[in-house]
Amino acid sequence: QKEVEQNSGPLSVPEGAIASLNCTYSDRGSQSFFWYRQYSGKSPELIMSIYSNGDKEDGRFTAQLNKASQYVSLLIRDSQPSDSATYLCAVNEVGGGSEKLVFGKGTKLTVNP
Amino acid sequence: DTEVTQTPKHLVMGMTNKKSLKCEQHMGHRAMYWYKQKAKKPPELMFVYSYEKLSINESVPSRFSPECPNSSLLNLHLHALQPEDSALYLCASSPSSPVRFFGPGTRLTVL
Repeated sequence: QKEVEQNSGPLSVPEGAIASLNCTYSDRGSQSFFWYRQYSGKSPELIMSIYSNGDKEDGRFTAQLNKASQYVSLLIRDSQPSDSATYLCAVNEVGGGSEKLVFGKGTKLTVNP
Repeated sequence: DTEVTQTPKHLVMGMTNKKSLKCEQHMGHRAMYWYKQKAKKPPELMFVYSYEKLSINESVPSRFSPECPNSSLLNLHLHALQPEDSALYLCASSPSSPVRFFGPGTRLTVL
């Protein structure tokens, strides 16, 4: 199975700082990349999708993709305590006529007031 | 209606019991999924239904039996489970890849 690696953390940042979450993947043929946020005891929530090299911004969130380096990241600007959660990187694996997501182990982020 | 609902929220069962988890969505999504998530681990895909047909079974033990009665409903029938099957079971739906909407999950405890 293809692998998706994330720093397990925990990552701790002060309120208002930029939180940087990183992810690498093993399948050079992967085309679709996603970030999910999961609060403790809750289900994952899709927050960002990125498909082409470069940056994609949505509010305080920026996803960055570098296919040559097989690297995808998520930046959270002006971090808030409400951003404290586990962030899961996921890559779409295509093969055998089907598609499925491969998740990284997740990075736990704590934003300190 | 933009949500996936799951019942029950919590379930405790013995190893000889038979129970079912239920999932419902009314967004017209044609792909529905079952995931299993253990504590501090990422979700693991179990089954995918596409247009009410089972399209992916991730080599899940037969004590888990999925069923898709119609395009809005997805069931997971449980029989003779083991304590290591205790986990959060997540249903999800999507109009296409990737998974966009997860349900709140059923927290299952097997005694």
